[in-house]
Amino acid sequence: ILNVEQSPQSLHVQEGDSTNFTCSFPSSNFYALHWYRWETAKSPEALFVMTLNGDEKKKGRISATLNTKEGYSYLYIKGSQPEDSATYLCAPGNYGQNFVFGPGTRLSVLP
Amino acid sequence: GAVVSQHPSRVICKSGTSVKIECRSLDFQATTMFWYRQFPKQSLMLMATSNEGSKATYEQGVEKDKFLINHASLTLSTLTVTSAHPEDSSFYICSARSGGFDTQYFGPGTRLTVL
Repeated sequence: ILNVEQSPQSLHVQEGDSTNFTCSFPSSNFYALHWYRWETAKSPEALFVMTLNGDEKKKGRISATLNTKEGYSYLYIKGSQPEDSATYLCAPGNYGQNFVFGPGTRLSVLP
Repeated sequence: GAVVSQHPSRVICKSGTSVKIECRSLDFQATTMFWYRQFPKQSLMLMATSNEGSKATYEQGVEKDKFLINHASLTLSTLTVTSAHPEDSSFYICSARSGGFDTQYFGPGTRLTVL
């Protein structure tokens, strides 16, 4: 089973601040990595799926990068808004295996 | 699109009873569904992978006789917690796989409390 780490565990930022957090995973036999956003009382929502080393994906103010050689992915949020408050989960997976969810980074954006 | 429903959202039961949780993909067919359990302040722990028309694949340490999974159709999987005990109290959430690179679409989860 993959050992997936996310840092920081939680984060409080002011509205308008930009922020980023990290997902770390073993780099061998990498297949793909998903990022999900999980707002309180809602279903986790798929943000990105990333597969290639150097991948960069963007969705509005949120973007993500992937480094499969060193085993990490960054998620960036530009100009954080209160509606960005959620837990952000990464889930890397190896070939032939199920995706493993990290513990998440809980983001609180203060107005 | 890609909506998954889960019922009930919350259930309280007495120790020794069985509880069934349903997971439905509303607008797509899901050959594979997943059942997760989340302990307080921890991540989603995969319990089992449910494949339509075949037996579920359970993760190590998950009792298959305790957590019965049925995936009888392409849109419905059920998890039955048999003879529930207080230690089974947890948040259970399902997902259905669709699309490239196995994107999972999640239900809203079920909070189980066993008294």
